[in-house]
Amino acid sequence: GEQVEQRPPHLSVREGDSAIIICTYTDSATAYFSWYKQEAGAGLQLLMSVLSNVDRKEEQGLTVLLNKKDKRLSLNLTAAHPGDSAVYFCAVSAPGSFNKLTFGAGTRLAVCP
Amino acid sequence: EAAVTQSPRNKVTVTGGNVTLSCRQTNSHNYMYWYRQDTGHGLRLIHYSYGAGNLQIGDVPDGYKATRTTQEDFFLLLELASPSQTSLYFCASSVRDRGNERLFFGHGTKLSVL
Repeated sequence: GEQVEQRPPHLSVREGDSAIIICTYTDSATAYFSWYKQEAGAGLQLLMSVLSNVDRKEEQGLTVLLNKKDKRLSLNLTAAHPGDSAVYFCAVSAPGSFNKLTFGAGTRLAVCP
Repeated sequence: EAAVTQSPRNKVTVTGGNVTLSCRQTNSHNYMYWYRQDTGHGLRLIHYSYGAGNLQIGDVPDGYKATRTTQEDFFLLLELASPSQTSLYFCASSVRDRGNERLFFGHGTKLSVL
């Protein structure tokens, strides 16, 4: 089955710097890619999602890049601020199985003032 | 915004105990899910359902039962709890949004099995 590796597990950046989180997956048929944010004591909230026909998507200071050749998905938070401190998860699924997401292990991001 | 409510927020039981985790969503989403979250593993899908009376097996179903009694309510049952089931459990519901499946999560239930 699908395997997803997410790195780094912990990331600390200064306010205003960028933060990059990377996931690699194993199934070349993977078609749906998403990023979730989990704040302390809360459930996960969807940040962004893309289908496999999209290489790049930008929204509100976030950039998702998809490299299908290398089976790599990345999330770039440009100009991070302390409110971005949270745990971030990537999640992927195969065509026809959009409901069965495979999650990465998570990245704990700390943004220091 | 979709509302997914889990209860209880915290639960402690003993090995062999019987536990029921409850989840209710108020947005009439068809799909509902139970995940467990463990350090180093991210979230892993236990069971899911696409409507009342339906149940689908996820990736880590062993030791768990689930029941979807209504469109709103989805329950996770541990009939003989074991310490390996100590975890943070999340319920979610989902809706198809512009071709993407968007999940809405509850706040989680922390279960400790002693």
